[in-house]
Amino acid sequence: GENVEQHPSTLSVQEGDSAVIKCTYSDSASNYFPWYKQELGKRPQLIIDIRSNVGEKKDQRIAVTLNKTAKHFSLHITETQPEDSAVYFCAVGPNAGGTSYGKLTFGQGTILTVHP
Amino acid sequence: DTEVTQTPKHLVMGMTNKKSLKCEQHMGHRAMYWYKQKAKKPPELMFVYSYEKLSINESVPSRFSPECPNSSLLNLHLHALQPEDSALYLCASSHPGLISTQAGPGRGVGEQFFGPGTRLTVL
Repeated sequence: GENVEQHPSTLSVQEGDSAVIKCTYSDSASNYFPWYKQELGKRPQLIIDIRSNVGEKKDQRIAVTLNKTAKHFSLHITETQPEDSAVYFCAVGPNAGGTSYGKLTFGQGTILTVHP
Repeated sequence: DTEVTQTPKHLVMGMTNKKSLKCEQHMGHRAMYWYKQKAKKPPELMFVYSYEKLSINESVPSRFSPECPNSSLLNLHLHALQPEDSALYLCASSHPGLISTQAGPGRGVGEQFFGPGTRLTVL
């Protein structure tokens, strides 16, 4: 099955700095790569996603890049703010049409702390 | 309605009790999921329903019994749980089937939207 590794496990930055979280995956047939933000005691919320026909996607201060050859993708947060502090999970979704459609494999999470 | 709702928010039960968790969505999604999440860990998939039929069971113990009465509702029946089953139980929904390579965020197939979860404590 799919194996997803996420680094770093914790990340501490000063307000205004950039933060980068990286995930690697094992199944070259995977083609859906979402990122979720989970604040303490709350539900995971989808913040950005990318599909395998796109190399980069940006939404205001958040961007995701995908390198299918190297099987890794990264979350980039610029101009970080204290409210960005949360746990961030990457996930990997299966190839379209497979029997495992819909199943997301999650990374272990990154605890991001943004200091004012 | 763009939300997934879950009840109850909190549940405390003994090991001999029978209880049920409920999940509802009105986004027209035809795939629904149950996840279990321990503190500081990622969500772990338990079950997937697609078009009201169980399509994935991740080798979950039989003391957890899912049910999908219709396209908007998903239940998780609990019986004879163990203390190690204490966790946050998350429901999610999405469009099933092929993941579109053309769709934008939040509008295409594949994106899973989570409910707020039920915090379960087994005594």
